[in-house]
Amino acid sequence: AQSVTQLGSHVSVSEGALVLLRCNYSSSVPPYLFWYVQYPNQGLQLLLKYTSAATLVKGINGFEAEFKKSETSFHLTKPSAHMSDAAEYFCAVSVSGGYQKVTFGTGTKLQVIP
Amino acid sequence: ETGVTQTPRHLVMGMTNKKSLKCEQHLGHNAMYWYKQSAKKPLELMFVYSLEERVENNSVPSRFSPECPNSSHLFLHLHTLQPEDSALYLCASSQGGDGTGELFFGEGSRLTVL
Repeated sequence: AQSVTQLGSHVSVSEGALVLLRCNYSSSVPPYLFWYVQYPNQGLQLLLKYTSAATLVKGINGFEAEFKKSETSFHLTKPSAHMSDAAEYFCAVSVSGGYQKVTFGTGTKLQVIP
Repeated sequence: ETGVTQTPRHLVMGMTNKKSLKCEQHLGHNAMYWYKQSAKKPLELMFVYSLEERVENNSVPSRFSPECPNSSHLFLHLHTLQPEDSALYLCASSQGGDGTGELFFGEGSRLTVL
């Protein structure tokens, strides 16, 4: 069985500051890890994913995440927050199984303060 | 139309009504999903259809009844719902089953049960 834990349901940063959203995972097999973003009144869309290639993964909108097996972490970062980054971010873990068996975290709402 | 389309976007129903949510994907994917998103809870996977066969039913009450008439369409039939069923219902689709694939989400149907 797999699971993800997102530390902090709400994170506030100033515009231009570093964004760091934390995610730890648990998986009995090598995991595939994802970050999705949800803007208000919309569905989720993929930011980036780790599928056992490079451990530092770059995504859309300047976000990146680093897979650290020793820490079972997959934290999401962005060097400089923009107002448009305000959204809810979901970490997810997936295993193979005939379809995409994805388990989501509880989400972190990012507030960007002007 | 592109991506995953859900209708209606908003639905208000009484506890004795019968209504349906519709999802259509224009991506040629072979799997479709219903998720329930409630405040302060992780996304809950309700049903999965792979190649038009139901492959997952996560102990969802029988007042929710899914239907997948073809690979592009997915319905969620609702009857005698409870107020706690009020939530955002998200449809998603994907291709393949090796765990590395992305889920493509619709914008969701916001359901309010009075």
